[in-house]
Amino acid sequence: TQLLEQSPQFLSIQEGENLTVYCNSSSVFSSLQWYRQEPGEGPVLLVTVVTGGEVKKLKRLTFQFGDARKDSSLHITAAQPGDTGLYLCAGAEGNNRLAFGKGNQVVVIP
Amino acid sequence: EAQVTQNPRYLITVTGKKLTVTCSQNMNHEYMSWYRQDPGLGLRQIYYSMNVEVTDKGDVPEGYKVSRKEKRNFPLILESPSPNQTSLYFCASSLVGDIYEQYFGPGTRLTVT
Repeated sequence: TQLLEQSPQFLSIQEGENLTVYCNSSSVFSSLQWYRQEPGEGPVLLVTVVTGGEVKKLKRLTFQFGDARKDSSLHITAAQPGDTGLYLCAGAEGNNRLAFGKGNQVVVIP
Repeated sequence: EAQVTQNPRYLITVTGKKLTVTCSQNMNHEYMSWYRQDPGLGLRQIYYSMNVEVTDKGDVPEGYKVSRKEKRNFPLILESPSPNQTSLYFCASSLVGDIYEQYFGPGTRLTVT
């Protein structure tokens, strides 16, 4: 299983601030997914990035796939309490399986 | 409503008492998978199935069994649960052409004493 390292593990910010979290690997992935998991629920897919250098926006969330397709970042602009959750990155291993990172726990304080 | 359902949501049991966690999806997905989530270890795949009667091991299959007799159902069986199987379990499904975009169930919190 290929390793996906997410940093920081935990981040607490005030409402209205910006934040960036990272997902890094030494392996190349054919695609990377970002999921968000809220307490007591299963992960929910936010976005898939496929092309090196690709940038996708989902309202105030901006996802970027690294040029070499080994890393990705998630930037949240003007964070809201509703952005609180565990953000998981996942990489396609090419063997019908998905490898998950351990997650970035984000807490947005009102 | 498209969804993955799991039952039970919470279960406390004792070592050695066989149990089954059910998983069902209504999206006609071919691919189904079981994960466990533990603090500090993240989500780890237990078993997955590409279609009916086709199952394969994930990263942590020891102590678990699965079956896929019908497309919509993928039960997880613990024949002789042990305390190290105390965890949060998730079932997920997807189209076989999009297995990297999975739909997750709400989770089953299992405690084995």
